[in-house]
Amino acid sequence: AQSVTQLDSHVSVSEGTPVLLRCNYSSSYSPSLFWYVQHPNKGLQLLLKYTSAATLVKGINGFEAEFKKSETSFHLTKPSAHMSDAAEYFCVVSDGTGGFKTIFGAGTRLFVKA
Amino acid sequence: DSGVTQTPKHLITATGQRVTLRCSPRSGDLSVYWYQQSLDQGLQFLIQYYNGEERAKGNILERFSAQQFPDLHSELNLSSLELGDSALYFCASSAPGTGGGNTIYFGEGSWLTVV
Repeated sequence: AQSVTQLDSHVSVSEGTPVLLRCNYSSSYSPSLFWYVQHPNKGLQLLLKYTSAATLVKGINGFEAEFKKSETSFHLTKPSAHMSDAAEYFCVVSDGTGGFKTIFGAGTRLFVKA
Repeated sequence: DSGVTQTPKHLITATGQRVTLRCSPRSGDLSVYWYQQSLDQGLQFLIQYYNGEERAKGNILERFSAQQFPDLHSELNLSSLELGDSALYFCASSAPGTGGGNTIYFGEGSWLTVV
């Protein structure tokens, strides 16, 4: 069975400071892991994905995530937050072909203060 | 732009009514997924179709049904609507093939308001 836990429902940072959004997962198989971002009233956009290649994955808009098997974590980071990063972020685990085998986390709302 | 197209973008209807949401997947994608997103339930997987056949079912109510047509577009039918069905309904698609790592691409969603 798979599961994904986003450890913070809300994160607030100041513009220009680092961002850390935490995600832990559980999977019986070698998982594929994703981060999606959802801006208000918009669809979900893929930020990055891990599929058993390099453990440090770089995504769009300066985000990156590191797969740590020993800690079963896939935390999302960005060195310097921008106002436009304010959105909801979803951590996703998949060990199949998608759909019901793709589990979405509850989401983390990122607030960026000026 | 993800390449997944959903219509209508907004819909307001009365309780007890029936609506149909339409989705065109990305070119070449065989899988179509439907999700419901509401404030209290978060993002819920409803159903998946692959090349015209139902592949997986999630938390889809019996009042809801879906299908995928030979041209791969999909429709989600919602009937006997209740106030609690008000939500953002997403369609998504992914490329053919098996194995993990298939990225799911989302449309912009259809906002349904039941009054």
